[in-house]
Amino acid sequence: GDSVTQMEGPVTLSEEAFLTINCTYTATGYPSLFWYVQYPGEGLQLLLKATKADDKGSNKGFEATYRKETTSFHLEKGSVQVSDSAVYFCALSHSGYSTLTFGKGTMLLVSP
Amino acid sequence: GAVVSQHPSWVICKSGTSVKIECRSLDFQATTMFWYRQFPKQSLMLMATSNEGSKATYEQGVEKDKFLINHASLTLSTLTVTSAHPEDSSFYICSARDPGLAGVNEQFFGPGTRLTVL
Repeated sequence: GDSVTQMEGPVTLSEEAFLTINCTYTATGYPSLFWYVQYPGEGLQLLLKATKADDKGSNKGFEATYRKETTSFHLEKGSVQVSDSAVYFCALSHSGYSTLTFGKGTMLLVSP
Repeated sequence: GAVVSQHPSWVICKSGTSVKIECRSLDFQATTMFWYRQFPKQSLMLMATSNEGSKATYEQGVEKDKFLINHASLTLSTLTVTSAHPEDSSFYICSARDPGLAGVNEQFFGPGTRLTVL
């Protein structure tokens, strides 16, 4: 079955540092890939998505590129802020199916 | 963007009582809604898929009689935790698909409901 693997956290960075959160997946076919962010005490918000190979999703300075050859969708940001502190979830779904498969989440802590 | 609300945002109840959580899609009609449970510092666990006008599809290991799901309209799904016990304390999150976004199974999430059973 499908699975998503994320790097374990917490990831601790200083403000303005470069961020990478690794995400790899196992799935048949060509799933859509997502990054969701969860701020403390809140639900999930879609951060970005990519629906086919080589697509780059981007939002709020975050980027991730759908790499079919390495089955990866790593999240990056050039300069993190304290307000980026949250838990980040990588997920996938297949066209024609409803459910999302989530990774375990990676907590990001950014200090001033 | 599509907005999903949940009510209440938090609830405290006594053991043995039932609690109802509402999930609403505010600006779109959701034929499919999902209920998740999240334990502290863990990922989301899909509990069930709720389809408007039909019975919910529960994931393996989720008790149908304990977690009653009703999807009576295209904008409302409810989760009722019956005879709640302390081990049911958790963060419950719903989500909904927007069928207008053809070909992309994006889900829009509610803000979650924190249930504490004493």
